[in-house]
Amino acid sequence: DIQMTQSPSSLSASVGDRVTITCRASQGISTYLNWYQQKPGKAPKALIYAASSLQSGVPSRFSGSGSGTDFTLSISSLQPEDFATYYCQQSYSLPQTFGQGTKLEIK
Amino acid sequence: QVQLQESGPGLVKPSETLSLTCSVSGGSVTKGTYFWSWIRQPPGKGLEWIGYIYYSGSTSYNPSLKSRVTISLDTSKNQISLKLNSVAAADTAVYYCAGGSGSVGDYKYWGQGSLVTVSS
Repeated sequence: DIQMTQSPSSLSASVGDRVTITCRASQGISTYLNWYQQKPGKAPKALIYAASSLQSGVPSRFSGSGSGTDFTLSISSLQPEDFATYYCQQSYSLPQTFGQGTKLEIK
Repeated sequence: QVQLQESGPGLVKPSETLSLTCSVSGGSVTKGTYFWSWIRQPPGKGLEWIGYIYYSGSTSYNPSLKSRVTISLDTSKNQISLKLNSVAAADTAVYYCAGGSGSVGDYKYWGQGSLVTVSS
């Protein structure tokens, strides 16, 4: 199985800050990397697919980059509704696997 | 817009079979390029992929669960089902139905989730 490791596991930031979350794959996955946002008690919401493509309806302050083994999710100017847990997911090979999550909290 | 809704028992006894159904609206489960997965999340933990079924009916399962899992389509009801045999407390989780289309393998559509507790 491909292991997905996110860093940091948790992050405190303020409204207006720029934040970056990293996801590393245990082997190369090209750009088969997707990002999700999950709020407490809710299902995950798709943000980014294929490493850098924004899902329709997702604000442009979200962006993704990377290929191979190293990927990043960036939020350019944090809004109150962005405080949540973020997960990366590889869809390069089966079984699909997710990172352990990064909890973004208000400072 | 495709919408998913899980349903099924919230409590299952150890060693019995967990059965969940995902009803799909706004799209056909057999529409070309669509795929449908079950993903679970134990309380306070991360996401685990259980398996998927393509619009064609072909399936793939997580090897860690493969011997106990069956995912199927009911085209007459536009539903996807999950059966997990011989459950134990470790199978307690919120079970999500999720779907996507295309070749990337991302999940654009999610149900609200169904909490299943395994307990006697």
